[in-house]
Amino acid sequence: DAKTTQPPSMDCAEGRAANLPCNHSTISGNEYVYWYRQIHSQGPQYIIHGLKNNETNEMASLIITEDRKSSTLILPHATLRDTAVYYCIVSRYGNKLVFGAGTILRVKS
Amino acid sequence: GAGVSQSPSNKVTEKGKDVELRCDPISGHTALYWYRQSLGQGLEFLIYFQGNSAPDKSGLPSDRFSAERTGGSVSTLTIQRTQQEDSAVYLCASSTTSGGYQETQYFGPGTRLLVL
Repeated sequence: DAKTTQPPSMDCAEGRAANLPCNHSTISGNEYVYWYRQIHSQGPQYIIHGLKNNETNEMASLIITEDRKSSTLILPHATLRDTAVYYCIVSRYGNKLVFGAGTILRVKS
Repeated sequence: GAGVSQSPSNKVTEKGKDVELRCDPISGHTALYWYRQSLGQGLEFLIYFQGNSAPDKSGLPSDRFSAERTGGSVSTLTIQRTQQEDSAVYLCASSTTSGGYQETQYFGPGTRLLVL
């Protein structure tokens, strides 16, 4: 599975959109992009995933570039409860997820 | 509905003892996964079950680690002769399978293992 690169940390003001980038330049055509997050002392929580098209659900939006080499997770109105480590993962079959270091998102009031 | 449950939630053991960690997946989920997260580290894949068979055991760190799944449901991760470096949070996840692809993995709260 392709490796991903994420910034180690980001800050966001409460109520503003949080835009978390991810680079996956070696992604292959049949690999999906998954986003999970882990709030302190809890198990990871699924957020969203996509293949080519942009995706939106009740939690977030996923924007994938046309060449699929990078993506951005958007939390439209960040709250303090969104403070967590966010993981961008590329996987073909969605089974063996390889978690990197992720991005620590700090939402501040 | 019930999510993935794990027991015990916390386990303290002495070096050299064996431990068993249990995972109850979401009912109907055919796939089950074990991960490990050491203090301040990312999640490390250990093993994956499809039904009762384990097509991928590549993440098990040594032969002291083993896992089984029975009845396509409950799974047990066993660590023999525990060492201090085994101290970590052990996380279980489960998912359904569709067309050869695994759907969203739902994680349990984890078992915090401390080896003294």
